[in-house]
Amino acid sequence: EPEVTQTPSHQVTQMGQEVILRCVPISNHLYFYWYRQILGQKVEFLVSFYNNEISEKSEIFDDQFSVERPDGSNFTLKIRSTKLEDSAMYFCASSEPGQGFEQYFGPGTRLTVT
Amino acid sequence: AQSVAQPEDQVNVAEGNPLTVKCTYSVSGNPYLFWYVQYPNRGLQFLLKYITGDNLVKGSYGFEAEFNKSQTSFHLKKPSALVSDSALYFCAVRRFPNDYKLSFGAGTTVTVRA
Repeated sequence: EPEVTQTPSHQVTQMGQEVILRCVPISNHLYFYWYRQILGQKVEFLVSFYNNEISEKSEIFDDQFSVERPDGSNFTLKIRSTKLEDSAMYFCASSEPGQGFEQYFGPGTRLTVT
Repeated sequence: AQSVAQPEDQVNVAEGNPLTVKCTYSVSGNPYLFWYVQYPNRGLQFLLKYITGDNLVKGSYGFEAEFNKSQTSFHLKKPSALVSDSALYFCAVRRFPNDYKLSFGAGTTVTVRA
């Protein structure tokens, strides 16, 4: 069964450093998403991406964040200058085009900012 | 704005007994509703969804959920729980038609004892 994959599974970085989290969505999906879950809190939407552009973003997704689909398979989330409060589990998801399709989630990348 | 409430942090049931996990939602317009399950160190796995049509929807692993528009609820049920159903369950809502972002509840930890 196709699945969303994410690398790395765990990333430790120092405050102020740039990180890139990588995702390979399911191959025939056209919508891509990033969510995050701070320990003990709800899963929160960050951004959705379709047709090579951001379709929606939350207030969390400020200028420090960016997304890119550099080739036909990868989807990346970049945090330019990490803060302690960026420590969280980051989930990538993808879905087929169309209104009723569910999102499929990857296993997540745990980001720890020290 | 849209939101989901899962009023129970934990649900404990004996194996073989019925399992219910509660969810209520708030959304302007028509909702798309989803249930996901998360096992330790795994991503969120899709269980079932309500888009339109029958209020009772059936999903994976014998789970079902009932959409109740008047009570704005979407409770997850399983007639006979298994120990392997022990996990963290999330309810999520999307606003039809143009929103793609999911808003999640805080999650309910289900423990099924043998």
